Amino acid sequence: SQQGEEDPQALSIQEGENATMNCSYKTSINNLQWYRQNSGRGLVHLILIRSNEREKHSGRLRVTLDTSKKSSSLLITASRAADTASYFCATDKSFQKLVFGTGTRLLVSP
Amino acid sequence: DAGVTQSPTHLIKTRGQQVTLRCSPKSGHDTVSWYQQALGQGPQFIFQYYEEEERQRGNFPDRFSGHQFPNYSSELNVNALLLGDSALYLCASSSQGAGDTQYFGPGTRLTVL
Repeated sequence: SQQGEEDPQALSIQEGENATMNCSYKTSINNLQWYRQNSGRGLVHLILIRSNEREKHSGRLRVTLDTSKKSSSLLITASRAADTASYFCATDKSFQKLVFGTGTRLLVSP
Repeated sequence: DAGVTQSPTHLIKTRGQQVTLRCSPKSGHDTVSWYQQALGQGPQFIFQYYEEEERQRGNFPDRFSGHQFPNYSSELNVNALLLGDSALYLCASSSQGAGDTQYFGPGTRLTVL
């Protein structure tokens, strides 16, 4: 079963715009990770945020974590066509057993 | 430095057959986890191997088994294949002593006819 849900399920934007995806989960966690997946292939790790952190940046990515609301958000700034992919959040409660959400399909049009 | 590798890339089997998928972890990693991703869904955890033993297991039947070798590579075996086993099988590797990030391979696409 899935741990939580990403919202929205699908997002369509123009190049240069920002994209925001949200993730909700159900149980306490050690950390939360965001992954990107292109065309049903392998997952690419984007960023990890630990339960005692509230915000983290990596290049054009900004991730926030609110453990009181059991939610996280991923912001991609100045989107590019190459950002078109599915994005998944995954929670790690113990021993690196990742529980994934259902994913957000992002389409960035030129 | 090679990342996580998986073989084969694609595989077609018929119901009732058995299949073995292989994974080589990223250099320096000692933990291998396997995930099943059905079309349109997020990956689901099958099991994890560390020190050649199954350390954790998800909600999968005993038809799914695995092995980890002394060089940390791993195999996933599925017996008595069902149509519902058609999926992308992902292997992820990590290091117990170097943080929690898991690195995924490109996956094996299994089709059961």
